[in-house]
Amino acid sequence: GAVVSQHPSWVICKSGTSVKIECRSLDFQATTMFWYRQFPKQSLMLMATSNEGSKATYEQGVEKDKFLINHASLTLSTLTVTSAHPEDSSFYICSAKNTGLDGYTFGSGTRLTVV
Amino acid sequence: AQSVTQLGSHVSVSEGALVLLRCNYSSSVPPYLFWYVQYPNQGLQLLLKYTSAATLVKGINGFEAEFKKSETSFHLTKPSAHMSDAAEYFCAVSDTGNTPLVFGKGTRLSVIA
Repeated sequence: GAVVSQHPSWVICKSGTSVKIECRSLDFQATTMFWYRQFPKQSLMLMATSNEGSKATYEQGVEKDKFLINHASLTLSTLTVTSAHPEDSSFYICSAKNTGLDGYTFGSGTRLTVV
Repeated sequence: AQSVTQLGSHVSVSEGALVLLRCNYSSSVPPYLFWYVQYPNQGLQLLLKYTSAATLVKGINGFEAEFKKSETSFHLTKPSAHMSDAAEYFCAVSDTGNTPLVFGKGTRLSVIA
């Protein structure tokens, strides 16, 4: 079945540094990738939608200059949290649209802790 | 805009008992509806989805859900709970099957031995 590999699974970084999260579709072409953020014991909130080769579309309230999304190929999308602060600590999950039975394939998530 | 409401943030059942997790949706068009399960610090695993084929949808691990348009509901059930079913469950909706999923707030299922 369709698989999305997300790395790293967890990361701790210092305040002010940048962190890159990668999502790769392993056996299908992901023309569209969705990025979600999940706070503890809460639901998934859509941050942005990225389409291969074009600029991402951000949801209202999400800072595009802080959360940089790149979708340069059909198998790789990245989310870079720039100048991270403790309030950016969260669980980030990517989801690729696929044409298979599932429709949407989720990565395993990245636990980001900013200290 | 579409939305889902999950009644009950926490449901507790005894092992072997019926599991019922409630989900009501709001959509201006026939929706695509999904149920996902999430274990701690992991991504989401699809349990089942409704795409207007059959109203009773069978999923993995013995779960099933019934789409009821008159009640705008898509409740998730399992006849007999197992300890391994303890997890967070999310109901989600998409209006076309291509737009981003909109998630409910989730229901944490506890299974008591």
